[in-house]
Amino acid sequence: DQQVKQNSPSLSVQEGRISILNCDYTNSMFDYFLWYKKYPAEGPTFLISISSIKDKNEDGRFTVFLNKSAKHLSLHIVPSQPGDSAVYFCAARPAGSGNTGKLIFGQGTTLQVKP
Amino acid sequence: KAGVTQTPRYLIKTRGQQVTLSCSPISGHRSVSWYQQTPGQGLQFLFEYFSETQRNKGNFPGRFSGRQFSNSRSEMNVSTLELGDSALYLCASSLGGVPPDTQYFGPGTRLTVL
Repeated sequence: DQQVKQNSPSLSVQEGRISILNCDYTNSMFDYFLWYKKYPAEGPTFLISISSIKDKNEDGRFTVFLNKSAKHLSLHIVPSQPGDSAVYFCAARPAGSGNTGKLIFGQGTTLQVKP
Repeated sequence: KAGVTQTPRYLIKTRGQQVTLSCSPISGHRSVSWYQQTPGQGLQFLFEYFSETQRNKGNFPGRFSGRQFSNSRSEMNVSTLELGDSALYLCASSLGGVPPDTQYFGPGTRLTVL
């Protein structure tokens, strides 16, 4: 049962435009959502997170939006740069003291930013 | 501050053997989590260690085990290797405190089982 889903395996955008990566979840018992970026042969790099009680968090070119009623979050990258080309993972942190250290990941979306 | 390091980076084993992977967390981080990444299943949580104790465990068979030392370094062991254990094994470290307790990942160990 995939609790965190990224339904778009890939996305291609032009440099300077906005990239929007989407993520859906099925379990309401997550307290934080995170986005990671992964280059080949490297581990995931943390980008930005959002608490389940918020609906927006911004850090530089990256903004994450959370729509709790739709169980949907999205990552906006503005403006997109060729160096942003990577695989992006959405992850959710289950709430509760029994779920320490555990993240549930989506399958990833490969973003290609064309010069 | 140095990041999370994992050794070795690549490993080739044969079925039935066992393997030990090592992870050194970011200085000051007390929690280490392990994940398995495969093309079919994606990134899946194996277990988490904090202060030398396993605090949480994912849905993997008992062949997968781990431990953590007093300096927070962690090792993961897989016994009786199967072909399906071929994967990228990632460890992540965090402070181990209040949420979101962001996890920072190492580069991974690529394990190939022949």
